[in-house]
Amino acid sequence: ETGVTQTPRHLVMGMTNKKSLKCEQHLGHNAMYWYKQSAKKPLELMFVYSLEERVENNSVPSRFSPECPNSSHLFLHLHTLQPEDSALYLCASSQWGQRSSYNEQFFGPGTRLTVL
Amino acid sequence: RKEVEQDPGPFNVPEGATVAFNCTYSNSASQSFFWYRQDCRKEPKLLMSVYSSGNEDGRFTAQLNRASQYISLLIRDSKLSDSATYLCVVGVGSNTGKLIFGQGTTLQVKP
Repeated sequence: ETGVTQTPRHLVMGMTNKKSLKCEQHLGHNAMYWYKQSAKKPLELMFVYSLEERVENNSVPSRFSPECPNSSHLFLHLHTLQPEDSALYLCASSQWGQRSSYNEQFFGPGTRLTVL
Repeated sequence: RKEVEQDPGPFNVPEGATVAFNCTYSNSASQSFFWYRQDCRKEPKLLMSVYSSGNEDGRFTAQLNRASQYISLLIRDSKLSDSATYLCVVGVGSNTGKLIFGQGTTLQVKP
């Protein structure tokens, strides 16, 4: 596989369920990201990991819990979600250089989440 | 005020037309600037970075005005395949890789 992959592509869950989203990057990058994209809203950055350490947590509710076991894998654990959490969740990766962390981000296809 | 502001459109133009999109950003400490493209129900992909001196890639020209905190994208000779949403993206503050995305401007190129 190439690029950034995400599973599952679609997920429907009840508010009491616990589920996890998985992201894998095959690009040899050292940084990974979770974004949320809701209808009619801009992409919202949720979490940033660099070299498996979380460097950004953008005021995300604790019902979203990220995990980065290594530089190729990123998880988003979900529990007791609300209907307003229904959205497209996108994972991305990039290569941070010595001078800049703003190199091109490559996105996965996303997981479309519906919370009932 | 939104951190990155774009006119959502849609911009409906005929093939061959020239179209320009504008974007403003609020954080004067912003360091890096990009245009991403997102097709319907697909993930965003980098179209081009935006440099202070302005830059061109084929039919696409990007300009940055730091004093006015303004970014533009010009598309010449529009193709049907240019139909998409164009996202203005800004890298902010300290070296955290944090990108702020605009809402996007939708372009529809008609035959």
